[in-house]
Amino acid sequence: QKEVEQDPGPLSVPEGAIVSLNCTYSNSAFQYFMWYRQYSRKGPELLMYTYSSGNKEDGRFTAQVDKSSKYISLFIRDSQPSDSATYLCAMRGGTSYGKLTFGQGTILTVHP
Amino acid sequence: GAVVSQHPSRVICKSGTSVKIECRSLDFQATTMFWYRQFPKKSLMLMATSNEGSKATYEQGVEKDKFLINHASLTLSTLTVTSAHPEDSSFYICSARAWGSYEQYFGPGTRLTVT
Repeated sequence: QKEVEQDPGPLSVPEGAIVSLNCTYSNSAFQYFMWYRQYSRKGPELLMYTYSSGNKEDGRFTAQVDKSSKYISLFIRDSQPSDSATYLCAMRGGTSYGKLTFGQGTILTVHP
Repeated sequence: GAVVSQHPSRVICKSGTSVKIECRSLDFQATTMFWYRQFPKKSLMLMATSNEGSKATYEQGVEKDKFLINHASLTLSTLTVTSAHPEDSSFYICSARAWGSYEQYFGPGTRLTVT
C-alpha cells in the first residue's frame, strides 16, 4: 500500500464548477499537509499548507484536513480554465525539516 | 521572491554520456536542496537530499554512483547523470529550502532524453 493515495483522474469540469480533490494516507506520523499545483512541463508551486485538522481558506481555495480519517481535500470554487493543471498533495512528518511524500497527482481540466 | 532556476530546461544526450543539471536559488540561501524525478503522469519521487557542504543522502534504490550530487555553495546544487541510458530519460526537478524554513521552492524542471 502506498503511503499516500490520490486519484489521478483525469477530472474535467465546466468553468465555474466547484472542484474537490482528495488524498488519503496511511502513515499517522504525517503532521503537515500541502497542496501543490503543477502546470505542464513546470515545477510544482505551493498552493496551501496546513497542519491542524479543519479548514483553511485562501481565496477560491479551501484545504481540509481530517487526521482521524487520514483524509485531506482541496476545494476550488468558481473554477477557471487557468486552474487546469495537475494538483499534487504532499505531506511530511512532525520534524520541521522532514522530506515530503507526494501523491500521484490529479489532472484537472476546466473547460470554458 | 524565492525563485529557483534549473539549467538546462531540456537536454538530449546519447547513451553512455554524462549530463549535468544545475539548480540555483536566485534570491535566498538554500541550506538544503532536494532532487526529484518525475515520470509522465506520475508523482515526484525523491532521489536525494543534499545539505550545503555535506554529502548527499540518497533514497533507497537510487544509485549514488550514477546520480552524482554536489551542493558546494548555498545557491547551487548540481545533479550529474553518469553513463546515461534511455531508462534515465525523465523529468528531473530540484527544490530548495532555506535554513529555518519548512517550505520547499521548486525549480521548473529539466527534461532529459537519452537516445
